[in-house]
Amino acid sequence: AAGVIQSPRHLIKEKRETATLKCYPIPRHDTVYWYQQGPGQDPQFLISFYEKMQSDKGSIPDRFSAQQFSDYHSELNMSSLELGDSALYFCASSRSGLNTEAFFGQGTRLTVV
Amino acid sequence: QKEVEQNSGPLSVPEGAIASLNCTYSDRVSQSFFWYRQYSGKSPELIMSIYSNGDKEDGRFTAQLNKASQYVSLLIRDSQPSDSATYLCAVNRQASWGKFQFGAGTQVVVTP
Repeated sequence: AAGVIQSPRHLIKEKRETATLKCYPIPRHDTVYWYQQGPGQDPQFLISFYEKMQSDKGSIPDRFSAQQFSDYHSELNMSSLELGDSALYFCASSRSGLNTEAFFGQGTRLTVV
Repeated sequence: QKEVEQNSGPLSVPEGAIASLNCTYSDRVSQSFFWYRQYSGKSPELIMSIYSNGDKEDGRFTAQLNKASQYVSLLIRDSQPSDSATYLCAVNRQASWGKFQFGAGTQVVVTP
């Protein structure tokens, strides 16, 4: 079965650079979620999109932005990177509606040096 | 107070025994509840979802939900070393399906 695809899997950036993470949801899933997970921490919700509109927002820094495109894939843009942005970034997708399950991609490991 | 609370562990369980994991949530309008398993450095993997009060069984896993007590649990029967992982409880408010709120996770260690 098709899963959530994230790219790249690994990314190394220098401080103050920008990074773009991509997420391709499971076919027919219209909702995408972004999470950040630091070492030894639980996933922290960043932002979500439903039908290309932002549906909820969590602890996403102003330096980050995201959008969902017409084909439902999503991109997380991160600017002015800081050392503390080093983390695993997960994307999850689900169908909208009642009792919906979210499935995660393999994640992007971002290292800021 | 976090919206979703779990004991951090580690929970040490002998091989073949039952592992019992607990999760409480603070938002009474929460409607959907999930258990994810996460191996170190890997993405969370959905193992159980539960939406109604009572028990739901799937193989060696049983989820229990009590909305009145705002409590959801996961039992792992016949624990195996491969069950050693962090188990994350997640909650979704149906009124706004914009996010799944996670607990901090309980680390389970199954000892041979």
